[in-house]
Amino acid sequence: DGGITQSPKYLFRKEGQNVTLSCEQNLNHDAMYWYRQDPGQGLRLIYYSQIVNDFQKGDIAEGYSVSREKKESFPLTVTSAQKNPTAFYLCASSPTGTDTQYFGPGTRLTVL
Amino acid sequence: DQQVKQNSPSLSVQEGRISILNCDYTNSMFDYFLWYKKYPAEGPTFLISISSIKDKNEDGRFTVFLNKSAKHLSLHIVPSQPGDSAVYFCAASGVGSGGYQKVTFGIGTKLQVIP
Repeated sequence: DGGITQSPKYLFRKEGQNVTLSCEQNLNHDAMYWYRQDPGQGLRLIYYSQIVNDFQKGDIAEGYSVSREKKESFPLTVTSAQKNPTAFYLCASSPTGTDTQYFGPGTRLTVL
Repeated sequence: DQQVKQNSPSLSVQEGRISILNCDYTNSMFDYFLWYKKYPAEGPTFLISISSIKDKNEDGRFTVFLNKSAKHLSLHIVPSQPGDSAVYFCAASGVGSGGYQKVTFGIGTKLQVIP
């Protein structure tokens, strides 16, 4: 089965701790994206990567970091510098030459 | 600065009737538009899209209309079914500041189809 997986579905962390959210895809897509969704807001782009070993900041990159060492994987680290990390995080991927993005099921991060 | 606006946060429609979801955009450089459907605690799923060179695209019960001069697009669902109840996101694609194609999402409209 091809698809995008995000784990875990729910994540709890103490304030001040870094946490890494996993995103894996076996769709052979070149581009991958991270968004966060907050109540009453749309999807806001955190980081995106069009190709392995390259990534770009999105609209709200502060307090986050990413890596893209493999085509299949695009982990997101929420650092202690992120002032309001509690949110629903969505990973997506898209094939080259198309704007259609395919989303994972999301991870709900709660910082206590 | 919201470049993609969905001004109706919610919409209720009777089953079998038409649902019309609206979206406005401000960036004339957007050249591709998409609609996504999202259920609670799940990722959005792609529904339908339209290129800026077209004014209509139809897929089964779903039709998207694009009015470039008004910078407005709409999603029509007919007939509406209870399973259509979800949040619908409008999205627009154009070249971002980094030179890459970038998709900008609206805040969503929650559709409730009443049986």
